Order: sequence, then C-alpha cells, then structure tokens
Amino acid sequence: GNSVTQMEGPVTLSEEAFLTINCTYTATGYPSLFWYVQYPGEGLQLLLKATKADDKGSNKGFEATYRKETTSFHLEKGSVQVSDSAVYFCALSVDDKIIFGKGTRLHILP
Amino acid sequence: SAVISQKPSRDICQRGTSLTIQCQVDSQVTMMFWYRQQPGQSLTLIATANQGSEATYESGFVIDKFPISRPNLTFSTLTVSNMSPEDSSIYLCSVGQGETEAFFGQGTRLTVV
Repeated sequence: GNSVTQMEGPVTLSEEAFLTINCTYTATGYPSLFWYVQYPGEGLQLLLKATKADDKGSNKGFEATYRKETTSFHLEKGSVQVSDSAVYFCALSVDDKIIFGKGTRLHILP
Repeated sequence: SAVISQKPSRDICQRGTSLTIQCQVDSQVTMMFWYRQQPGQSLTLIATANQGSEATYESGFVIDKFPISRPNLTFSTLTVSNMSPEDSSIYLCSVGQGETEAFFGQGTRLTVV
C-alpha cells in the first residue's frame, strides 16, 4: 500500500543551524510528493512539492529532491530561523488522494 | 488558490451527542475532503465528498458515524455522531488534490467528555 514515514520529533535546533527532516515513502505508481507546514495556530499550507523523479522543490529557503531510487524526499534548509518553528508534514499524492506522514515538530531556539 | 472557512473552530461535547462541522470554500470545487488528525498522529482521510452523490468513505470510516452532506459546489458538512472520547481529534476540511496544491481549513478541535 501507499505510506509515508518521516522522522519523529520534536527536533530542536539553534538559529542558523542546518536542518534535515527525513522522509521516505512507499507507493504504487508514480506519486507526487509534498511538504506541508503548520505554523502555530494556523492551518496546513503547502511548503513545496515535486511531481516527478529528480525534481527539486524549493520555497522559503527549504529544499527537497524527489529521489526515486531511494524513495525519499528529505527536507533541508541551510540556516533555520526562529520563525521556522512549526510542524512539518511529508505527503504523497496518488490516485487523487493525499497520504500524510505523522509530522515532525521543529523548535528553533534563538 | 482557495480560502476555506471551517466552523466551529473548537468545541467540547458530551459523549453520546453529535456535532456538525461546516466547511465553506470561496470558489466552486468538484471534490471536498474530510480528514481527522488525532493527537500526535498524522492526518487520516475520512471521506471524499462530491456534489450530487454519496460521499466515498475510506476504510475504517462509515456513513452512520460520519454522515456528510454536499449540497452545492462550495459547501460541505461533516457530522460526528454518537460521540465518544475516542472521537476527540482535529477535523479538517480540504480541497484540491492530485499533483496540485491542497488547501486546508484551520480545523475543528473536538473534545468529547
């Protein structure tokens, strides 16, 4: 079946540190891959996406590359800010349905 | 893009009662989706609501427990029936799927006591 596995949190980093949140997936067919973010008190919103192998999604300094060979879509940012504190969800879309990972809570300390 | 208004934003309900959650979209959409997010868990799709037809439920969810209405292309409701504490969750309405961006309401935080 289709599933998403992402690293468990919470992840706590100091400001300007490098961030990686791992995400791997299992899917039949050729899914699109997404990272969604949920800031405190707000709804989920799309952070970035990639629709085919080797695509790189990027937004707000975050990047993730669709790696078909390793079935991964790891989220990275070179220098995090306090304002990046949020819950991050890796997700895949196949057959017009979105399947989410469990979410990773990120705390950035000033 | 789409703006989704969901209400109530939160509620505390007695077990055995029912709560209806409303979802209003600022544009016409074919499909609307209802999710549940249990504490510390991922979002789980409950059902897909198409205008003019019965909702399609995912495994583990049934119409008697989660009846859904879709009277037009901008509005849907989800009812959580005969509630128990295990139904305490955040319920989210969503539009847009596939390769495109999905948009979410801010969710309804339900606590059943």
